[in-house]
Amino acid sequence: DTAVSQTPKYLVTQMGNDKSIKCEQNLGHDTMYWYKQDSKKFLKIMFSYNNKELIINETVPNRFSPKSPDKAHLNLHINSLELGDSAVYFCASSPSGAEPFEKLFFGSGTQLSVL
Amino acid sequence: GDSVTQMEGPVTLSEEAFLTINCTYTATGYPSLFWYVQYPGEGLQLLLKATKADDKGSNKGFEATYRKETTSFHLEKGSVQVSDSAVYFCARRNSNDYKLSFGAGTTVTVRA
Repeated sequence: DTAVSQTPKYLVTQMGNDKSIKCEQNLGHDTMYWYKQDSKKFLKIMFSYNNKELIINETVPNRFSPKSPDKAHLNLHINSLELGDSAVYFCASSPSGAEPFEKLFFGSGTQLSVL
Repeated sequence: GDSVTQMEGPVTLSEEAFLTINCTYTATGYPSLFWYVQYPGEGLQLLLKATKADDKGSNKGFEATYRKETTSFHLEKGSVQVSDSAVYFCARRNSNDYKLSFGAGTTVTVRA
């Protein structure tokens, strides 16, 4: 069973479109994240939710809107896509308790290509 | 601000060679330090961690020691295998912060 699953795996779209990436975790974790990995493999946090509440919001354009309907899901909606949004987006989750915010479990990524 | 700097890749080496990937950090206080690994086509996964000075994290033959005096957390493995080919990320977290901050990643390719 996949612990952190995100869909779609690949997303090719035109500039100006609106798209969503979905993420679900079946680990019972309280915290979920979205990270963006650019073409040079640099990984940067975008958002984090803990029990459906936003706790990290790095300087991300407001075209990016995360939504957490419950603590097992964190979806990422992107409006008016731009060329610079092309990247691999990783969803992750982490448990509360002894290792909060440290032991992250990542999904396998969504490769977004904006043409 | 607080950051993590790791050596640029790519690194290419032969099977059974010794691997070192340098990582240094800037710190206020005493962060926890981590190495994550990303195998081809997969998400990152925690490889090892150390939470205080002189701690040594180890896993799968990899080791890293938290060196406060040099603000370093270099990753080492004595004899690499082809299956160790991956991107390796150094990361840190301050004790009062939710955020896990990653370095830029080092791509390692091991040839048979």
